[in-house]
Amino acid sequence: AQTVTQSQPEMSVQEAETVTLSCTYDTSESDYYLFWYKQPPSRQMILVIRQEAYKQQNATENRFSVNFQKAAKSFSLKISDSQLGDAAMYFCAYGQGGSEKLVFGKGTKLTVNP
Amino acid sequence: DAGVIQSPRHEVTEMGQEVTLRCKPISGHNSLFWYRQTMMRGLELLIYFNNNVPIDDSGMPEDRFSAKMPNASFSTLKIQPSEPRDSAVYFCASTDPGQLRGYTFGSGTRLTVV
Repeated sequence: AQTVTQSQPEMSVQEAETVTLSCTYDTSESDYYLFWYKQPPSRQMILVIRQEAYKQQNATENRFSVNFQKAAKSFSLKISDSQLGDAAMYFCAYGQGGSEKLVFGKGTKLTVNP
Repeated sequence: DAGVIQSPRHEVTEMGQEVTLRCKPISGHNSLFWYRQTMMRGLELLIYFNNNVPIDDSGMPEDRFSAKMPNASFSTLKIQPSEPRDSAVYFCASTDPGQLRGYTFGSGTRLTVV
């Protein structure tokens, strides 16, 4: 079974600085998708960014970008110019191609200090 | 689009009572998921439907839990009888065919069983 590991239960960053959240996954499949979700205190789960495994180019969404290392099975999230509103739990998720199921990591709590 | 709509947002009930959680997915999404979130276990997939048909219910913890999707715009998750260990946040999510845009989550139902 696929597993997703987020090794950093908590991280903190100064406002306007850059922070990287780590995620590794375990799979023997070649067709899959990876996601980062944000869960602020409101508890709403919000999709931040999505990466298809067959794409070599790292996905980018404004201040959010990923470093996708397929051979290492690593999928880290970089947040640039951190803002107070970025404070949240961040979840990494894996989805196998052809299946709609997602497997989530345990999450990383990000604190943004003013 | 109003997004995925869940009700109620909060539910407090006594042990032994029946609890019904409700979800309206996004129109056009053909897959619907029920997840449970706790501090100890993170996000766990309970069951998911594709085109209103249950595909995988292996995450349903026991027979006290049941889920239905009578049509494309409505699903319920029922717990009968409820127990204190069922206390958690229950999320409903939906996705389009091929999961091109990832899941869209509802705002969740916080269930407290006393």
